[in-house]
Amino acid sequence: DTEVTQTPKHLVMGMTNKKSLKCEQHMGHRAMYWYKQKAKKPPELMFVYSYEKLSINESVPSRFSPECPNSSLLNLHLHALQPEDSALYLCASSQAGAGGGQPQHFGDGTRLSIL
Amino acid sequence: RKEVEQDPGPFNVPEGATVAFNCTYSNSASQSFFWYRQDCRKEPKLLMSVYSSGNEDGRFTAQLNRASQYISLLIRDSKLSDSATYLCVVRLDNNNDMRFGAGTRLTVKP
Repeated sequence: DTEVTQTPKHLVMGMTNKKSLKCEQHMGHRAMYWYKQKAKKPPELMFVYSYEKLSINESVPSRFSPECPNSSLLNLHLHALQPEDSALYLCASSQAGAGGGQPQHFGDGTRLSIL
Repeated sequence: RKEVEQDPGPFNVPEGATVAFNCTYSNSASQSFFWYRQDCRKEPKLLMSVYSSGNEDGRFTAQLNRASQYISLLIRDSKLSDSATYLCVVRLDNNNDMRFGAGTRLTVKP
């Protein structure tokens, strides 16, 4: 079982809906990540939070809005998505900090379909 | 040029074969290196970290060549259960910027 929990596992939404993806970890990790993965492609980095502050935004469209309410939680708020946004959204966490050789731990993802 | 490059394969090998994957990275300041495996419709799972001196875990051996900026993964005595996509991951800097290679698809056949 994964130590990073993502909800929901599946989400179908219309282009005008607003929904949120949630991610939770209790490993004391202070870096948390959102990735988007399309079929037969590797995960693409979207956002990184380090010590609850947004440290990387990979030029993600504003219809995706991340939030890190505390060190254990990471949300991804969705609004006015497009059909091409349908994908597997993966959350990950890791130890943060300089020189850290710490790997990421992944949740099992939210499979998102935009109608 | 992509930050992390891998041969996408596919690699189709018989059981018991030895297979090697390579991955190159463009940023010489990259700090940490990992191999993950991903099964179809599942999340990536850490296979092993890659250390400067090279490291081994059972049938799996990982090596890092900083001078040439590549890492490798060797799988000995392949099992059917080794069939998966193998992803090379590089931490670029202190900002937790983690980048994936395109992944190499391995199929081990009876």
